[in-house]
Amino acid sequence: DAGVTQSPTHLIKTRGQHVTLRCSPISGHKSVSWYQQVLGQGPQFIFQYYEKEERGRGNFPDRFSARQFPNYSSELNVNALLLGDSALYLCASHYGPGSGSYEQYFGPGTRLTVT
Amino acid sequence: AQKVTQAQTEISVVEKEDVTLDCVYETRDTTYYLFWYKQPPSGELVFLIRRNSFDEQNEISGRYSWNFQKSTSSFNFTITASQVVDSAVYFCALSEPLKNTGNQFYFGTGTSLTVIP
Repeated sequence: DAGVTQSPTHLIKTRGQHVTLRCSPISGHKSVSWYQQVLGQGPQFIFQYYEKEERGRGNFPDRFSARQFPNYSSELNVNALLLGDSALYLCASHYGPGSGSYEQYFGPGTRLTVT
Repeated sequence: AQKVTQAQTEISVVEKEDVTLDCVYETRDTTYYLFWYKQPPSGELVFLIRRNSFDEQNEISGRYSWNFQKSTSSFNFTITASQVVDSAVYFCALSEPLKNTGNQFYFGTGTSLTVIP
């Protein structure tokens, strides 16, 4: 079975631009969470979606938004990019609504560089 | 304040030595979950263990063992007879439930383990 997939693998954007990152969960998983991992730090929770509804939101500005589609795939959108948005963006999928009660499987991430 | 503290930034051990990675967490919830993840140089986080707050039994899986102590809010991870393949960054994480059935996840800053052959 395929694991969590993310696209693109790498991305270079300019300050002020917009970016869309994509994630496909493991088949049968209905919940997706997004994380930002700055170099040398642990992942920071951004969003959690279950059954197309937002179930959790971390401490990120409104420039960050996400959505989940009927096939449970998800997009993370970031507007008005800042240099500080440069990071590895990780997507994790799990079966149920609570990431704590189910094992999370992480994708390989999208490396975003903002210049 | 950090919800999850991993005080050891970097650790180096010689192959076959035992090593313990420390994790201290902070929460007011009575129901929560603790995790350990491994992040090898390839970057993909690999799940190692999940423990709920009501289960304080220590767990052993091969060369890996975990010591959960609620009294000290610690969830330490020991690798016995370390191997070069254990070299990676290890993250401890805490999950707290949210009102809408979701969960808020907090990761520590990670401990970089280098096993020297």
